[in-house]
Amino acid sequence: NAGVTQTPKFQVLKTGQSMTLQCAQDMNHEYMSWYRQDPGMGLRLIHYSVGAGITDQGEVPNGYNVSRSTTEDFPLRLLSAAPSQTSVYFCASSYRDRGYGYTFGSGTRLTVV
Amino acid sequence: GDSVTQMEGPVTLSEEAFLTINCTYTATGYPSLFWYVQYPGEGLQLLLKATKADDKGSNKGFEATYRKETTSFHLEKGSVQVSDSAVYFCALSDDKIIFGKGTRLHILP
Repeated sequence: NAGVTQTPKFQVLKTGQSMTLQCAQDMNHEYMSWYRQDPGMGLRLIHYSVGAGITDQGEVPNGYNVSRSTTEDFPLRLLSAAPSQTSVYFCASSYRDRGYGYTFGSGTRLTVV
Repeated sequence: GDSVTQMEGPVTLSEEAFLTINCTYTATGYPSLFWYVQYPGEGLQLLLKATKADDKGSNKGFEATYRKETTSFHLEKGSVQVSDSAVYFCALSDDKIIFGKGTRLHILP
């Protein structure tokens, strides 16, 4: 099993450009989440989903959109990139059992210039 | 809302020293508690977990006990190694997972 796959691993965008960070899991996990990691800030939740067709906002949702049309995929869209969105982005997934624990992807390092 | 507070780092220890990283939480329900570890340039890996009060999670010599009365889940290891150098995150899980800000650990040979 591949686990949680994130693409791309690195990306440089110009201010105002849009792009989609891809996340796919092959473990049939119901829950999926997107986090951003910034120095000294830990991981902050952007959006999450408890199943196909269901999404909700996390702590820092502004400037990002998500959709969950299938169980496997949970793409994160940056609508109009800003330098403040320079960060490392992690996707994670889990079974519905809150005690299971999340599996993380290896991250996408995004720089907005 | 739910939150996790963990001790700020960095924490620097000599090899074979005893490690404690403090973690306390605030939650309205009965969450599961986790410790994750992040090595440089990598994603987070689940280190250990506990799903109910008084449970002890353990893995790779690390331990943590779910203390409901003190709302704590402190991470301990009796003898650290250089290879334990990493960032450690305490977390709680309800329908989403909430992380602390992380504690960077440096182990000196």
